[in-house]
Amino acid sequence: AQTVTQSQPEMSVQEAETVTLSCTYDTSESDYYLFWYKQPPSRQMILVIRQEAYKQQNATENRFSVNFQKAAKSFSLKISDSQLGDAAMYFCAYISYNTDKLIFGTGTRLQVFP
Amino acid sequence: GAVVSQHPSWVICKSGTSVKIECRSLDFQATTMFWYRQFPKQSLMLMATSNEGSKATYEQGVEKDKFLINHASLTLSTLTVTSAHPEDSSFYICSASKIPTVQGYFGPGTRLTVL
Repeated sequence: AQTVTQSQPEMSVQEAETVTLSCTYDTSESDYYLFWYKQPPSRQMILVIRQEAYKQQNATENRFSVNFQKAAKSFSLKISDSQLGDAAMYFCAYISYNTDKLIFGTGTRLQVFP
Repeated sequence: GAVVSQHPSWVICKSGTSVKIECRSLDFQATTMFWYRQFPKQSLMLMATSNEGSKATYEQGVEKDKFLINHASLTLSTLTVTSAHPEDSSFYICSASKIPTVQGYFGPGTRLTVL
């Protein structure tokens, strides 16, 4: 069975600094997608970034980028120039081509200090 | 595009009553809809998957007779919590997917409090 692990329950960063959130996953499949979702205090799930497993190039979205290491089954999220609005729960998620179910990690709470 | 709404956003009910939560895809037809439950400071737990016109598929440990899911159309799925008890109090989130994208589009969630 596929699993997603986030080993950092909480992280903190100072405004304008860079922070990296870790995620590892376990799967025997070769075709899948990986996502990072943000859940602010409003609890609305917001897609931050996605990565197709077949793509070697790491995805980037403005200040957000990932370090995708397929062989190591690692998918970390880097937030550059952190802003107060980045404070939220961040969930790493996996979905295989063969199923439509998202599998979530346990989440990392990010605090941003001014 | 790809907006998902949920109604109500917050509901309080008495123990023993039933509560219906609606999930709508506003600007697309959802091939599949998903219902999650989230306890405070925890991750999302998938409860069931529903496809229009067919019975929902429940995850292991989820009582299908307690959490009734109806996927009446390609834009509407409902979750009914029957004979609610205080332990059913939680945050319920729906998501919808549409071909060809695989990512879930999430509703804003419904906070259920059972007194």
